[in-house]
Amino acid sequence: DIQMTQSPSTLSASVGDRVTITCRASQSISSWLAWYQQKPGKAPKLLIYKASTLESGVPSRFSGSGSGTEFTLTISSLQPDDFATYYCQQYNTYSTFGGGTKVEIK
Amino acid sequence: QVQLQESGPGLVKPSETLSLTCAVSGGSISTSSYSWGWLRQPPGKGLEWIGSMFYRGSINYNPSLNSRVSISVDASKNQCSLKLTSVTAADTAMYYCARLAGSGHFQHWGQGTLVTVSS
Repeated sequence: DIQMTQSPSTLSASVGDRVTITCRASQSISSWLAWYQQKPGKAPKLLIYKASTLESGVPSRFSGSGSGTEFTLTISSLQPDDFATYYCQQYNTYSTFGGGTKVEIK
Repeated sequence: QVQLQESGPGLVKPSETLSLTCAVSGGSISTSSYSWGWLRQPPGKGLEWIGSMFYRGSINYNPSLNSRVSISVDASKNQCSLKLTSVTAADTAMYYCARLAGSGHFQHWGQGTLVTVSS
């Protein structure tokens, strides 16, 4: 099984901050990685797929990078609507999610 | 815009079978190039992939659930179904259906349905 490890598990930040979340795979997954945003009581929302492709309609302040086993999600300037939990997902072999990163107000 | 709506019993007894359906509107579930999946999220915890049915007909299940889970599509009703047998309290979760795009990312999600396993 491919394990996905996200860090940090919680992140405190202010509006306007640059935020980076890391996701590490236990083995190479090429670029088969997606990022999701989830708000309380809501279904996850796709942000980025294939490691760096922005889903249609997602603000350009979100970006993804990486390949192999190391990936990052960056929010260039945190907005009030961005306080949420973020998950990475590998879909190279079956599918596995990271444990999540909660972005909270500092 | 495609919409997905999960439905099913909110309470299931231990050892029984959990059965959920996902009604698809705004598009045909039989459209080639799209695949369908189920995921779940225990209260306060992270996401877990249950399984996916790909448009070419193949089905993958989470190895940890493989012996208990089945996913099917009913094109005549434009819906996807999930069955999970021999449930325990550990199966209590919000269950989501989703449409996959490309090679396996989940592009569209239903709102989810909460299933509690309890006697």
